[in-house]
Amino acid sequence: DAGVIQSPRHEVTEMGQEVTLRCKPISGHNSLFWYRQTMMRGLELLIYFNNNVPIDDSGMPEDRFSAKMPNASFSTLKIQPSEPRDSAVYFCASSPGRRNTGELFFGEGSRLTVL
Amino acid sequence: GQQLNQSPQSMFIQEGEDVSMNCTSSSIFNTWLWYKQDPGEGPVLLIALYKAGELTSNGRLTAQFGITRKDSFLNISASIPSDVGIYFCAGQTNYGGATNKLIFGTGTLLAVQP
Repeated sequence: DAGVIQSPRHEVTEMGQEVTLRCKPISGHNSLFWYRQTMMRGLELLIYFNNNVPIDDSGMPEDRFSAKMPNASFSTLKIQPSEPRDSAVYFCASSPGRRNTGELFFGEGSRLTVL
Repeated sequence: GQQLNQSPQSMFIQEGEDVSMNCTSSSIFNTWLWYKQDPGEGPVLLIALYKAGELTSNGRLTAQFGITRKDSFLNISASIPSDVGIYFCAGQTNYGGATNKLIFGTGTLLAVQP
């Protein structure tokens, strides 16, 4: 079975450029999470969706960040304009959403470097 | 906001030794979970705990959900080289049937010397 699929795996860009990260959750999962991981701040929850609806975006750093989930099988996290401090590994995770087990299935992450 | 503090930050041990790590929170959680992250990968669930006082084992791993619901610990017995990685605790507050956000701890880096 395919797990959570993220793209790109690596991206190097220059400050000011737009960055779009993509995620395909596991089929049948109805909750999707975006996390950011850095050495300094660890794993931070940015936003999560239930049934394609954003539930909590309080972790989104600022207006430069936006996330969408147009359907159950696709989500994007966009940074515009990007800044060097956005350099991090961005993880997408999905969850079945039923029985509230708390188990999240993570993708392999997208490593972003902003020069 | 909610904070989960893990200790120790890192551990360097010999193969065969037992390992203990813990996690404390300023808030109450209904669910505690422990994840492991290998280099270049996303975290993977090891153990989930759903009741205060619950003690759960998964092979060489044992975890407990603290009575106060503000802490949890993870033990690894007879460590082996493949136990190397970063271990995260995570807490979740559940309402109704929908998945609610998972807050992760600061992580414990484990290195095992063969």
